Amino acid sequence: ETGVTQSPTHLIKTRGQQVTLRCSSQSGHNTVSWYQQALGQGPQFIFQYYREEENGRGNFPPRFSGLQFPNYSSELNVNALELDDSALYLCASSLGAQLAKNIQYFGAGTRLSVL
Amino acid sequence: AQSVAQPEDQVNVAEGNPLTVKCTYSVSGNPYLFWYVQYPNRGLQFLLKYITGDNLVKGSYGFEAEFNKSQTSFHLKKPSALVSDSALYFCAVRALYSSASKIIFGSGTRLSIRP
Repeated sequence: ETGVTQSPTHLIKTRGQQVTLRCSSQSGHNTVSWYQQALGQGPQFIFQYYREEENGRGNFPPRFSGLQFPNYSSELNVNALELDDSALYLCASSLGAQLAKNIQYFGAGTRLSVL
Repeated sequence: AQSVAQPEDQVNVAEGNPLTVKCTYSVSGNPYLFWYVQYPNRGLQFLLKYITGDNLVKGSYGFEAEFNKSQTSFHLKKPSALVSDSALYFCAVRALYSSASKIIFGSGTRLSIRP
């Protein structure tokens, strides 16, 4: 196990709703990254938080937003859900913001279905 | 554009035979390369990475990968496959993005080891 926990495991929402996904980082890790993994594809980088500040963002619209708390846990919020938002959402924690040098430890993910 | 390609959606190997999972990349500057494995209903697990140094990188579970700069490849290998190696494998490369380094994942290769 990686020590990264995500909740909930599964979630079903309808189009237009809002959703919050949660991630608890591995102890001591100050960086968290969120990824979207559509069925049959590799994970796509959404954004990264380092010490409670957004530190990089992928090609996702502003309705995808996040928070990192002082204990380094994190939330991913998605507003105005669309059918294409259906995916596995992965959280990964690391020690340090340089993802190239620091190993990321992934949670098992939250599977979001938008109907 | 920075990218990573896994040309094979699926690789089938008999147990005990050597296996190779292919990966090619395109990135500006020196590449940082990674391999991750994903088991059903689990998050991604780090296998190995190349940053600098010896072109042959050894990782977890007996896997290794060979960095080839002239061919821009980073193929994953194992001398003798096990049935338990059956999983989804992702190659990833570092990309520079704004103030943070993000990891770009390939689309994945499903490795199936038959007894």
